[in-house]
Amino acid sequence: EAGVAQSPRYKIIEKRQSVAFWCNPISGHATLYWYQQILGQGPKLLIQFQNNGVVDDSQLPKDRFSAERLKGVDSTLKIQPAKLEDSAVYLCASSPDRIYGYTFGSGTRLTVV
Amino acid sequence: GQQLNQSPQSMFIQEGEDVSMNCTSSSIFNTWLWYKQDPGEGPVLLIALYKAGELTSNGRLTAQFGITRKDSFLNISASIPSDVGIYFCAGQSYNNNDMRFGAGTRLTVKP
Repeated sequence: EAGVAQSPRYKIIEKRQSVAFWCNPISGHATLYWYQQILGQGPKLLIQFQNNGVVDDSQLPKDRFSAERLKGVDSTLKIQPAKLEDSAVYLCASSPDRIYGYTFGSGTRLTVV
Repeated sequence: GQQLNQSPQSMFIQEGEDVSMNCTSSSIFNTWLWYKQDPGEGPVLLIALYKAGELTSNGRLTAQFGITRKDSFLNISASIPSDVGIYFCAGQSYNNNDMRFGAGTRLTVKP
């Protein structure tokens, strides 16, 4: 089975610019997550989708971050405008339901300069 | 929010030695999971635990779900160089749909 695909792998932008990340989950997985992993820390949930609806976005900085999952498959995460503290790895994960362990993609490493 | 305390923060061991790391929480979890993350990759699930007291093995890895449901440990026996990486515990409750991660244990294995 193909894994969770993410692109790009790396992105370097200047502060105040905008950036978008893309995720294609495992086929048939209804639940999709975006996590932020700052260097030296564990992943932190940003947003969770069940099909194309948002289940939990309580930790998403909504003044600058947005995410959508059109048609309940692919998802994009956008940051506008970016700040230096947004430098992190952004991980996408998917799961067939909300109970069992997730499968993570390889992540997008964002550097804001 | 729920806090996961993972220890130790890092470990340096000789090849062949056994390793133990643990995770404690201020809140009850219904599921405990252990992940390994290699550089430049996402975390990969090693073991999932679904019942208090459950002891589960996956090759040289053994993990237990604490009776209080507030802790879990992971043991690695007879470590090998490819065990190098960062190990994360994660807890999940039915009230919160997401997984909460510990800060990780960085394992170094010296040949």
